[in-house]
Amino acid sequence: GQNIDQPTEMTATEGAIVQINCTYQTSGFNGLFWYQQHAGEAPTFLSYNVLDGLEEKGRFSSFLSRSKGYSYLLLKELQMKDSASYLCAVEDSNYQLIWGAGTKLIIKP
Amino acid sequence: ETGVTQTPRHLVMGMTNKKSLKCEQHLGHNAMYWYKQSAKKPLELMFVYNFKEQTENNSVPSRFSPECPNSSHLFLHLHTLQPEDSALYLCASSQVVGGGGTDTQYFGPGTRLTVL
Repeated sequence: GQNIDQPTEMTATEGAIVQINCTYQTSGFNGLFWYQQHAGEAPTFLSYNVLDGLEEKGRFSSFLSRSKGYSYLLLKELQMKDSASYLCAVEDSNYQLIWGAGTKLIIKP
Repeated sequence: ETGVTQTPRHLVMGMTNKKSLKCEQHLGHNAMYWYKQSAKKPLELMFVYNFKEQTENNSVPSRFSPECPNSSHLFLHLHTLQPEDSALYLCASSQVVGGGGTDTQYFGPGTRLTVL
């Protein structure tokens, strides 16, 4: 079966750095997406990786290793507004997105 | 503002009611999706439309009936629902299906559905 694993919840301190991991086992691979979802709101697109390596976008970076079935989202200089759930999703060989259950990130002052 | 709107934002219905959820995208996309989001569970893909044609129906019960009259509008018709159908229903759109990075999905705010 297809499976996406990510931690259920993480806590970090304002101004610090946090890394959210995602491992996957899917039927084929056409890219990996990270989304941010604040409570009661729509998921919003953060990043897309299809090749191995690190993609940097401001305070957020996303890394992919296809051989290991592994990705992480790195958030730097954490701000209180970064408190949200972070969703990892992999596009399989049928171009369907397989979603993880999300990681709830709690930022403390 | 993401360019994808959904109405209503909240809906409470009895098991014998019939209601419809509406989604509209203003992004010029050709693919639209319905998802179900339950607490602490992954997003569940329900239906996919690509250029108005339904391409996926992930074993969704017949009490959920989608309709896509054009590339900008998507409906989800609901009838004789069960309490376990209570969830957040999200609509999304993308430029196309299967377009690599161009199939990035953009979501609406969702309809919070409660079935009594």
